[in-house]
Amino acid sequence: GDSVTQMEGPVTLSEEAFLTINCTYTATGYPSLFWYVQYPGEGLQLLLKATKADDKGSNKGFEATYRKETTSFHLEKGSVQVSDSAVYFCALSDGPAAGNKLTFGGGTRVLVKP
Amino acid sequence: GAGVSQSPSNKVTEKGKDVELRCDPISGHTALYWYRQSLGQGLEFLIYFQGNSAPDKSGLPSDRFSAERTGGSVSTLTIQRTQQEDSAVYLCASSPNLGNTIYFGEGSWLTVV
Repeated sequence: GDSVTQMEGPVTLSEEAFLTINCTYTATGYPSLFWYVQYPGEGLQLLLKATKADDKGSNKGFEATYRKETTSFHLEKGSVQVSDSAVYFCALSDGPAAGNKLTFGGGTRVLVKP
Repeated sequence: GAGVSQSPSNKVTEKGKDVELRCDPISGHTALYWYRQSLGQGLEFLIYFQGNSAPDKSGLPSDRFSAERTGGSVSTLTIQRTQQEDSAVYLCASSPNLGNTIYFGEGSWLTVV
């Protein structure tokens, strides 16, 4: 079955540091890929997505590129802020035929210190 | 409201009691999902409703769990004879019929004591 593996946290960074969170996936078809973020005390929010190979999703300074050859969707941000402290979840969806159900990675907690 | 609304936000119940969790999806969204977020298991899919089709119950962990969706809108997740391992955050989400972006509510935090 489908699965998503992402690096375990916590990841602790200083403000303005470069952030990378690795994510790899296993899927039978050509899934859509997502990053969701959960800020402290809040629900899951969609951060960015990519629906086909070589697509780049971006939002709020974060980027991730759909790499079919390496089955990866790593999340990057060039200069993090304290407000980026959150738990980040990588996820995939097999599309409408599978009900657009999401399969999530285990989440990576990121803590940005001033 | 503009987003997915869930209630209660927090629920403490005694082992063996039944609980009901409610979800109001975004207006016009035909797909509705329930997920569970727990410390040991991460985010797990529970059940999925799409329009008038039969729900996909493949993620329900046991027959103590059930869900219904009335009138194609509001959904209720019911857990019977709760156990301590049911303690988790139960997340509801919805999506438009033809879109593949899923929008989550803030969750219902269930604690079984």
